[in-house]
Amino acid sequence: GENVEQHPSTLSVQEGDSAVIKCTYSDSASNYFPWYKQELGKRPQLIIDIRSNVGEKKDQRIAVTLNKTAKHFSLHITETQPEDSAVYFCAATFNQAGTALIFGKGTTLSVSS
Amino acid sequence: GAVVSQHPSWVICKSGTSVKIECRSLDFQATTMFWYRQFPKQSLMLMATSNEGSKATYEQGVEKDKFLINHASLTLSTLTVTSAHPEDSSFYICSARDLSGRTDTQYFGPGTRLTVL
Repeated sequence: GENVEQHPSTLSVQEGDSAVIKCTYSDSASNYFPWYKQELGKRPQLIIDIRSNVGEKKDQRIAVTLNKTAKHFSLHITETQPEDSAVYFCAATFNQAGTALIFGKGTTLSVSS
Repeated sequence: GAVVSQHPSWVICKSGTSVKIECRSLDFQATTMFWYRQFPKQSLMLMATSNEGSKATYEQGVEKDKFLINHASLTLSTLTVTSAHPEDSSFYICSARDLSGRTDTQYFGPGTRLTVL
């Protein structure tokens, strides 16, 4: 089955700096890679996703890149703000009806002002 | 976006009792829902895949007789933790995918905090 590794486990940056979180996956059949943001005690919220036919996707300050050959994908947050502080999870799956997301272990991002 | 609800949001029970958690897709039909468990400061671990009208598929290491899943309709899946013990205390989250064609994003419920005394 799929296995997702995520690094780093914690990341501290100054407000305005960029943050990068990296994930690798094991199953070459996986074709859908979402990123979720989770605040303490709340549900994960989808912030961006990418499909295997695309190498990069951007949404304002957030971007995701995918390297299918190397089986890794990364989340980039630019101009970080204190409200970006949260736990971020990457996930991977073969995107069909009965297939669940497999999550990385998460990255705790702290943005200090 | 699509909405998934869970009930209750939190529950405290005595050791040995059973607890039922409901997961509903409010504005879309979900033939498949997923149940995750999350311990403090850890990731979401898939417990089982709930299939409407058929038996759930459990992940390795998850006891199907302890975590009973019923998916009786296209909008409701239930997870029953039977004979709960303190080690079952956790955050249980369900998710469902909207396959209506608008998007195939997976949406999460708000989670249920279970505390077993």
